[in-house]
Amino acid sequence: SYVLTQPPSVSVAPGKTARITCGGNNIGSKSVHWYQQKPGQAPVLVIYYDSDRPSGIPERFSGSNSGNTATLTISRVEAGDEADYYCQVWDSSSDHQVFGGGTKLTVL
Amino acid sequence: EVQLVESGGGLVKPGGSLRLSCAASGFTFSSYSMNWVRQAPGKGLEWVSSISSSSSYIYYADSVKGRFTISRDNAKNSLYLQMNSLRAEDTAVYYCARDPSIAAARSHFDYWGQGTLVTVSS
Repeated sequence: SYVLTQPPSVSVAPGKTARITCGGNNIGSKSVHWYQQKPGQAPVLVIYYDSDRPSGIPERFSGSNSGNTATLTISRVEAGDEADYYCQVWDSSSDHQVFGGGTKLTVL
Repeated sequence: EVQLVESGGGLVKPGGSLRLSCAASGFTFSSYSMNWVRQAPGKGLEWVSSISSSSSYIYYADSVKGRFTISRDNAKNSLYLQMNSLRAEDTAVYYCARDPSIAAARSHFDYWGQGTLVTVSS
């Protein structure tokens, strides 16, 4: 089955740029979606189809996808960005949705 | 405003059954694929099952295939998950989530409910 690998944690100072990676075999050939989840809350979609932003998501959130790595980039990080972030793809070979293990973003 | 409200969670013994429901409002339910995603306490997200808008396409995670059944009633704007032969490892918050795909339930999840907790324990 298809596996998505995320770093367990990423730390960044306020105002700096955070990059959260999502690794998978030839993930560049798939559409990658990203979710933000704060404690006690449901996940929120922040990036879909690699780099599109839903309405209401700040422009500080962006995404890219190439080769074996997709990346969620958060510019000018704020304290309110502290959350768990998950990547997700559809694996057509197994007809399964797949989530990465999640990355906890800590704002120092 | 899109709203998804799950219900039906609770405490059940191993081997028991439970039926979750998700009431949808604020959008044309029959035009969207729907999903169940779960999260065990302190763990990450795990996809459970997907169903396309007309129920033509249904998919299950290997961990629940043969035990869980997803269904929908477009006339009632409702999504269901029938869970049988429950195990301790099924303990989780179960989220209902909308997928903007019409036909094939293979995209992303643009709206989520707040979840309902299922606890499997003796």
